[in-house]
Amino acid sequence: KNQVEQSPQSLIILEGKNCTLQCNYTVSPFSNLRWYKQDTGRGPVSLTIMTFSENTKSNGRYTATLDADTKQSSLHITASQLSDSASYICVVILGGGATNKLIFGTGTLLAVQP
Amino acid sequence: GAGVSQSPSNKVTEKGKDVELRCDPISGHTALYWYRQSLGQGLEFLIYFQGNSAPDKSGLPSDRFSAERTGGSVSTLTIQRTQQEDSAVYLCASSPQSGARGYTFGSGTRLTVV
Repeated sequence: KNQVEQSPQSLIILEGKNCTLQCNYTVSPFSNLRWYKQDTGRGPVSLTIMTFSENTKSNGRYTATLDADTKQSSLHITASQLSDSASYICVVILGGGATNKLIFGTGTLLAVQP
Repeated sequence: GAGVSQSPSNKVTEKGKDVELRCDPISGHTALYWYRQSLGQGLEFLIYFQGNSAPDKSGLPSDRFSAERTGGSVSTLTIQRTQQEDSAVYLCASSPQSGARGYTFGSGTRLTVV
């Protein structure tokens, strides 16, 4: 069964601190993996896109890693800001065939406190 | 338009009524997806349109749900005889072509069935 699991479910950190969010997946065939940020009341916005051959990708203070062997990904947020408070969703794209479905994790709810 | 537009942004309806949700994708995007996000749950795939191909309806939860895409552009998701468990945020996404990286989400329609 294609699944994407994220941990922790929720996280509270102080402004300026770093944090790491985890994503484990059992999706086959694998096409690529994305991290999305979803602010309250908004649609998800893409942070990073990683293909099978990419191990690390950065987007500003966000750094995503991918280990295709262990089927794990992480999203590291450096020097957190209050605006980082949001839900972070790990999404794996099914490869092959005409339908490239997105398999979503349930997300990690991050709260950054002053 | 510059982004994926969904309307209405909020909809409250009485149990048993029919509702229509609209998605206006980014101009030129051939692929269009509908997802549902229930409270505390991940995003659930509903239906996928790609160009003139027959849509992938495998995610529709029941025959009360249907969707169409006219002229390869605007899509309407219809829920007949709404039930309270239909209450969720319905998100639409579009991409330039099947498998491309440019998935863009709308802000969603929050449906509340009372």
